[in-house]
Amino acid sequence: QQPVQSPQAVILREGEDAVINCSSSKALYSVHWYRQKHGEAPVFLMILLKGGEQKGHEKISASFNEKKQQSSLYLTASQLSYSGTYFCGTGGGSTLGRLYFGRGTQLTVWP
Amino acid sequence: DAGVTQSPTHLIKTRGQQVTLRCSPKSGHDTVSWYQQALGQGPQFIFQYYEEEERQRGNFPDRFSGHQFPNYSSELNVNALLLGDSALYLCASSLEVPGQGYSPLHFGNGTRLTVT
Repeated sequence: QQPVQSPQAVILREGEDAVINCSSSKALYSVHWYRQKHGEAPVFLMILLKGGEQKGHEKISASFNEKKQQSSLYLTASQLSYSGTYFCGTGGGSTLGRLYFGRGTQLTVWP
Repeated sequence: DAGVTQSPTHLIKTRGQQVTLRCSPKSGHDTVSWYQQALGQGPQFIFQYYEEEERQRGNFPDRFSGHQFPNYSSELNVNALLLGDSALYLCASSLEVPGQGYSPLHFGNGTRLTVT
């Protein structure tokens, strides 16, 4: 039930855009996005719910395609602070708190 | 407002030994989940505690056990340690909201366990 993330790694210059994808073979109720910097705890970014509700964080946005069971995280005009590993976590309707995390996408932003 | 705190930050143990990791949830949170994160991998769900009971459990052996106290803090115990148990152990707290099918997780910085 582990979601699949792509790409595995992205290297950007400041101001460039990036898209990180997350797909699941199981029906999704919610998709959670977290960012983890080296040596730190994962930090919650946003949740996307089945039915189209969306919550955002800073200037990062995301979409949730229920039919394709996919979510995409969009980082526009990237900043140095965006560097880190991004994880998507997928949850079903009966799995409060239990998330299945992907292997992560490592994002590096250079000046 | 203190976030999730975990102790110790690092631990080195020998195969066969037992270990206890501790977690204090974010103020106001009542649910604690434990995750294991191997190097280069995403966090893997171990179990979740709510109202002092184990509510959900991931695919981990019985060597992994836990407890939640009345003040919502939690412990993770691992018996008969194996080399493969070496990982970062993350505690995450959340607030149970009735009727809401999701709840953001707030993670601690983790305990780095090394088994030699």
